[in-house]
Amino acid sequence: GQQLNQSPQSMFIQEGEDVSMNCTSSSIFNTWLWYKQDPGEGPVLLIALYKAGELTSNGRLTAQFGITRKDSFLNISASIPSDVGIYFCAGRNIITGGGNKLTFGTGTQLKVEL
Amino acid sequence: DTGVSQDPRHKITKRGQNVTFRCDPISEHNRLYWYRQTLGQGPEFLTYFQNEAQLEKSRLLSDRFSAERPKGSFSTLEIQRTEQGDSAMYLCARSFIESDEQFFGPGTRLTVL
Repeated sequence: GQQLNQSPQSMFIQEGEDVSMNCTSSSIFNTWLWYKQDPGEGPVLLIALYKAGELTSNGRLTAQFGITRKDSFLNISASIPSDVGIYFCAGRNIITGGGNKLTFGTGTQLKVEL
Repeated sequence: DTGVSQDPRHKITKRGQNVTFRCDPISEHNRLYWYRQTLGQGPEFLTYFQNEAQLEKSRLLSDRFSAERPKGSFSTLEIQRTEQGDSAMYLCARSFIESDEQFFGPGTRLTVL
């Protein structure tokens, strides 16, 4: 099935550093969501974006809905060890989305060095 | 707590056996989704229900797979004649009808030997 492209595939950073990752699609999306997944658990919703250009924060996390509606960005400021995990973007495409079906990205694995 | 429980959390079975998974969302959410996630990939949509009606099925859902939500509350996903390629994490999610925000359960990890 279709998956969104996420970059980078993995990151190894030091505690306290800021992190940036992005997600791109060949299709227009109406909604972008960012999830974090820990090993052996389900994805946990971090941020939801609904409008092109929208910038939304949740604590140290900030996400943006790209103005082309084909991309989204997630930034994490001052990373801490518990930020370790896999971050997934997900989008809903009004043309193919049907009833809120989400298309997920390939994931960005974040590792934090103390 | 995401308001979704799944049972079992882990299932090991032999090829050819049938397995059934259960998902229990909190009652206020009308939509229920099933996704499959293989190692190193993001979740992929399988099917979803609005109340008790199954409204969409992915082509990933072969005829060996069947999902039900008989009373619009809990849901079951059955896989018949399991194959090694069915090994994956099966995730259930819930949402309100008017919302794009989906909240996932902890998943059921299936291993087919």
